[in-house]
Amino acid sequence: GEDVEQSLFLSVREGDSSVINCTYTDSSSTYLYWYKQEPGAGLQLLTYIFSNMDMKQDQRLTVLLNKKDKHLSLRIADTQTGDSAIYFCAESNAGRGGSYIPTFGRGTSLIVHP
Amino acid sequence: DGGITQSPKYLFRKEGQNVTLSCEQNLNHDAMYWYRQDPGQGLRLIYYSQIVNDFQKGDIAEGYSVSREKKESFPLTVTSAQKNPTAFYLCASSSTRDRVEQPQHFGDGTRLSIL
Repeated sequence: GEDVEQSLFLSVREGDSSVINCTYTDSSSTYLYWYKQEPGAGLQLLTYIFSNMDMKQDQRLTVLLNKKDKHLSLRIADTQTGDSAIYFCAESNAGRGGSYIPTFGRGTSLIVHP
Repeated sequence: DGGITQSPKYLFRKEGQNVTLSCEQNLNHDAMYWYRQDPGQGLRLIYYSQIVNDFQKGDIAEGYSVSREKKESFPLTVTSAQKNPTAFYLCASSSTRDRVEQPQHFGDGTRLSIL
């Protein structure tokens, strides 16, 4: 079955770069996503990448995809205290009768300290 | 502004009671979803609906029911058969544009607790 793995915690100093890693098992993954969840809130889509891309950059965010190793990473440059949140990796493919329903990892709690 | 509204934000359930969580969207999305989130866990899919008057079970549908009578609304009922309902419930919606599936948009969640 599909599986998405992430480390549970990451602690960084304000101003440093953060790198959150994710691995997945489904080789037919079509879309890979990064979502951010702040306390008591829903998930906010940060960025997503198609499986035929290997990199996407959006301001402070850089997504790298190694399709051969099924490894996805999210780099946040100049990390700020407002970046403290849980970050979810997700992948989707047309596995459910043609529906692209994501499979989510357990989330990585990013803690940014001064 | 368009978005997804979940209500209430907090809900308490007594033993043997059914409760209904509301989810409304004004994004004109065809598909809607319900997820359950437990501490330290990812999101687990309860039910989803791709079109009005049709819905499918997700991975953990037992003890839950849904309806999709209107495109904008996808309420979730947590029945008394769900023995461990305490969790954070998230509703999401998505569309298909130019035959390409678009990412899901989420509401702010409902936290359900047992009294």
